[in-house]
Amino acid sequence: QQQVKQSPQSLIVQKGGISIINCAYENTAFDYFPWYQQFPGKGPALLIAIRPDVSEKKEGRFTISFNKSAKQFSLHIMDSQPGDSATYFCAATRLNNAGNMLTFGGGTRLMVKP
Amino acid sequence: NAGVTQTPKFQVLKTGQSMTLQCAQDMNHEYMSWYRQDPGMGLRLIHYSVGAGITDQGEVPNGYNVSRSTTEDFPLRLLSAAPSQTSVYFCASSLAFGNSGNTIYFGEGSWLTVV
Repeated sequence: QQQVKQSPQSLIVQKGGISIINCAYENTAFDYFPWYQQFPGKGPALLIAIRPDVSEKKEGRFTISFNKSAKQFSLHIMDSQPGDSATYFCAATRLNNAGNMLTFGGGTRLMVKP
Repeated sequence: NAGVTQTPKFQVLKTGQSMTLQCAQDMNHEYMSWYRQDPGMGLRLIHYSVGAGITDQGEVPNGYNVSRSTTEDFPLRLLSAAPSQTSVYFCASSLAFGNSGNTIYFGEGSWLTVV
C-alpha cells in the first residue's frame, strides 16, 4: 500500500519550460512534505519542503503548491534547465515521529531537453 | 566534512551469502536510517535508530539486521541474501525534526546485486 502516490513517472520538458510533478497522500497525520532531487549515482538531496499551514512555498525556480483538502501537493520547476534533469521524489512524514521516518512517492525522472 | 559515508559502493553476492553494508556519519546526528530504492517504488525504510543502542523496524525489515553501538556507525546486515534484495541501499542521518523539519542527509548509495 503506497501512502504517497507520485505522477508522472517520467517527464520530458523543453529548456525554459515548466516542469510539474504531482503527489497525493492518504495519511492526514502527515504534516511535513519535503521534495528530494537525485542525480544518477548520488543519494537524494533535500530540495524544498512545506508544512500544511501554507498553500505555497517558493525557493528560486522551485515552488511547492499544497492543497490540504485534496491531500495533494505538487512541485513546479519554472524555466527548467538541462541541469535540472534528475529524479525527483516527494515525501511525507509527521514532524513528531521518532526517527524522522519518511514515506516516499515512487519518483519522477525528469529530462530537460536543450 | 565527509557527511554520510557508505561502503561498499558496489557488491555482487551469491544467494545465501551474508554481508554487511557500512554506514558512518560525522555530523553527530542522533537519527540514522537505512532505505532501499527500487524502480517505481521510491525509497522504502528498512530500519532506523534514534540513538546509540536503540533501533527499530521500518516498512521492509525482513532479511536485514542492524545495530547502533556508536553514534557514528549504523551497519546493515543481510543475513542470507536473496535475489529480491537486489537493490540500491541508502543510509541517512539527521537531527530530530523539531517543529520546522530538518535536513536528512543521504549517503551516495550501495548497489547490491544478488545472483
